[in-house]
Amino acid sequence: DQQVKQNSPSLSVQEGRISILNCDYTNSMFDYFLWYKKYPAEGPTFLISISSIKDKNEDGRFTVFLNKSAKHLSLHIVPSQPGDSAVYFCAASGASGTYKYIFGTGTRLKVLA
Amino acid sequence: ETGVTQSPTHLIKTRGQQVTLRCSSQSGHNTVSWYQQALGQGPQFIFQYYREEKNGRGNFPPRFSGLQFPNYSSELNVNALELDDSALYLCASSYSGQNYGYTFGSGTRLTVV
Repeated sequence: DQQVKQNSPSLSVQEGRISILNCDYTNSMFDYFLWYKKYPAEGPTFLISISSIKDKNEDGRFTVFLNKSAKHLSLHIVPSQPGDSAVYFCAASGASGTYKYIFGTGTRLKVLA
Repeated sequence: ETGVTQSPTHLIKTRGQQVTLRCSSQSGHNTVSWYQQALGQGPQFIFQYYREEKNGRGNFPPRFSGLQFPNYSSELNVNALELDDSALYLCASSYSGQNYGYTFGSGTRLTVV
């Protein structure tokens, strides 16, 4: 039972354009969501998070949108840069803080120069 | 400030053997979580330790065990290795109460033959 789904295994975007990565979840008890970025041979790196009491959180070029009614969140990267090429994981938690996260299967983003 | 370090980086074991993976948490962190990432999948939660006590466990058999030491470093032990245990094992540390996710190590790549 995949509670967090990233239905696009890969995405290619031209440098300077917007990258939109999507994530769907099924468990309405989730109230904290995160995005991680992973380069080969490295561990995932925290990127941005959002609590269920918000519908948007922004940090520089990265913005996460949360649509609770649709159980959907998305990560927008504007403008996309070649260094953004990595695998992006969406994760969800049932409680803010440090308890277990449920991860999606990831989306491989390739930003073309 | 040192990050999360894991050892060894790579390991090859034979089916039926036992393995111990080690993790040093980031300075100031008191919580350690272990994840298994199979090829093409997102990280799957194994268990979490908070101040040397287990603070949650995922859907993994009892062959997977662990502990946390007074300095908050941690070990993951897997007994009676099976071929399906081949994966990247990620350790992540955090400070209870923080709200911006874990800091992951680079992982240990375990291959069971």
